[in-house]
Amino acid sequence: DAKTTQPTSMDCAEGRAANLPCNHSTISGNEYVYWYRQIHSQGPQYIIHGLKNNETNEMASLIITEDRKSSTLILPHATLRDTAVYYCIVSRLRTGTASKLTFGTGTRLQVTL
Amino acid sequence: AAGVIQSPRHLIKEKRETATLKCYPIPRHDTVYWYQQGPGQDPQFLISFYEKMQSDKGSIPDRFSAQQFSDYHSELNMSSLELGDSALYFCASSRGQGGLEAFFGQGTRLTVV
Repeated sequence: DAKTTQPTSMDCAEGRAANLPCNHSTISGNEYVYWYRQIHSQGPQYIIHGLKNNETNEMASLIITEDRKSSTLILPHATLRDTAVYYCIVSRLRTGTASKLTFGTGTRLQVTL
Repeated sequence: AAGVIQSPRHLIKEKRETATLKCYPIPRHDTVYWYQQGPGQDPQFLISFYEKMQSDKGSIPDRFSAQQFSDYHSELNMSSLELGDSALYFCASSRGQGGLEAFFGQGTRLTVV
């Protein structure tokens, strides 16, 4: 699976958009980009995923560059409850067995007043 | 909605003792993942199962074993416990053919004294 690179930490003011980048320059054509977050000591939480098109759900938007070598997770109006570690995961889906869900070193997002 | 259930939530064991952690996946989920998270660390993948068969092994010590039963629940058995095994242990479940949208339990906090 492709390696991902994320900034170690970021700050965002409450009410502003939080833009979290992820570099995955070695991504293969059949690999998806998944985002999870982990609020302190809770189980990680799925946010969103995409293959090549931009995606949006009630939690966030995912922007994937045309060459798919990087992506950005956007939290449109960050709140204090969005303070968490955000993980970008790249993996292909496998049939007949579990797909790999491996966490690297994510971005610690601190939302401030 | 039903979530992933882990038991126990907290466990205190002495060195060299044995511990068993249990995970009950969301109904109709056929894939289970186990993770270990030490203090200040990212979740480390231990092992995964799909349809009661082991899929992948990560950094799981030989002292640990796991299995997925016919009702899809899973157990992580840990023997000869060491102080370094003290950590949060998360279980996650997903529908194997549904991609990497996994749901995590609240975790079991294991303390080895």
